[in-house]
Amino acid sequence: AQSVAQPEDQVNVAEGNPLTVKCTYSVSGNPYLFWYVQYPNRGLQFLLKYITGDNLVKGSYGFEAEFNKSQTSFHLKKPSALVSDSALYFCAVRDISGYSSASKIIFGSGTRLSIRP
Amino acid sequence: NAGVTQTPKFQVLKTGQSMTLQCAQDMNHNSMYWYRQDPGMGLRLIYYSASEGTTDKGEVPNGYNVSRLNKREFSLRLESAAPSQTSVYFCASSSVTGLSTDTQYFGPGTRLTVL
Repeated sequence: AQSVAQPEDQVNVAEGNPLTVKCTYSVSGNPYLFWYVQYPNRGLQFLLKYITGDNLVKGSYGFEAEFNKSQTSFHLKKPSALVSDSALYFCAVRDISGYSSASKIIFGSGTRLSIRP
Repeated sequence: NAGVTQTPKFQVLKTGQSMTLQCAQDMNHNSMYWYRQDPGMGLRLIYYSASEGTTDKGEVPNGYNVSRLNKREFSLRLESAAPSQTSVYFCASSSVTGLSTDTQYFGPGTRLTVL
């Protein structure tokens, strides 16, 4: 069965410092991996995804994620954090169980990122 | 282009009451989804519809029903609300073709409280 784990409930970073939000995955076959962000009282917004190709994926708002097959990880990174990056971040994996043309996704439990000025 | 819209934004129900959450998308997406979000548990899939005319159960379907009214609209019904259904409900849609394949687009959510 496909799954993702986000080992940190909360990450605190000072503005201007690099940030990393961790994600590990467990899949059978090749993984389709995603990162989504949720700002307060809003729906989730797509940040980036990895399907195949370059292990470093660039996404919205200056975020990037590094796919590491040997470590089964897909950590989200940003070189210089902004206060406005404070939000809830979800790692997710495409659920390929069953037969369906729908793009079912399994979400991690989320990591709250807090950027202090 | 409004994306995915949901109504209502907030709702308070008494135990045993029924209600329908509405969702519509204007992106011509084939697939639509209903999730619930509870603290510390991420998002869990309730039901989904791969295409117009089809619906399937997700991870937590008990106590819910859905209708894919047409390609644009996908509604979620609570027949007899229970306090355990207090949650934030999100609708999402995705395409099966093009560059955005597999990417889901979310509505703003409905915050439901069952007393």
